[in-house]
Amino acid sequence: KNEVEQSPQNLTAQEGEFITINCSYSVGISALHWLQQHPGGGIVSLFMLSSGKKKHGRLIATINIQEKHSSLHITASHPRDSAVYICAVSGGSNYKLTFGKGTLLTVNP
Amino acid sequence: NAGVTQTPKFRVLKTGQSMTLLCAQDMNHEYMYWYRQDPGMGLRLIHYSVGEGTTAKGEVPDGYNVSRLKKQNFLLGLESAAPSQTSVYFCASRREANTDTQYFGPGTRLTVL
Repeated sequence: KNEVEQSPQNLTAQEGEFITINCSYSVGISALHWLQQHPGGGIVSLFMLSSGKKKHGRLIATINIQEKHSSLHITASHPRDSAVYICAVSGGSNYKLTFGKGTLLTVNP
Repeated sequence: NAGVTQTPKFRVLKTGQSMTLLCAQDMNHEYMYWYRQDPGMGLRLIHYSVGEGTTAKGEVPDGYNVSRLKKQNFLLGLESAAPSQTSVYFCASRREANTDTQYFGPGTRLTVL
């Protein structure tokens, strides 16, 4: 079983819809990261959070430490939001991130 | 700041050839990482460094070597390339704490024929 599980693997939405991507992890963490990767593109850090909730524009990330679960929400989705969204966790003394396999989001106009 | 840069962006090698990928960061970050990304596998850590002059193995280190002679540079070497090393390679860096953001380079697409 992977230490970081994302769902769904693939998600198709219509422009304007509210999107939720989920991430569950099984290890103790210092922080959880949400990353975005456009097709053929680089990887950009969207959020890093260790508790509560963070908001940036139409994107909202929440984390529940007790339940070892995080969600990434996109409000009023737009075709330019189409990308792979990757959840990753950091913690412990090994200095590295553990990644989920990503969620491919396609937003149709 | 240029952030994290990678050289080259694309490369095609023949089996058995060698090459070096260069990662550079101008943020004075201590930690640097090399990942490979393959379809359906997600990002996997090849090697990492927690400071100048140090390197350590990640999840998939076989067939690769690294060096961190200068704090700002992290080199990934393939001594004898194999088709299984066809992948997209990403470098990343961050400051010291586990709660610091990790910054990624733009990636290098490597094809081994």
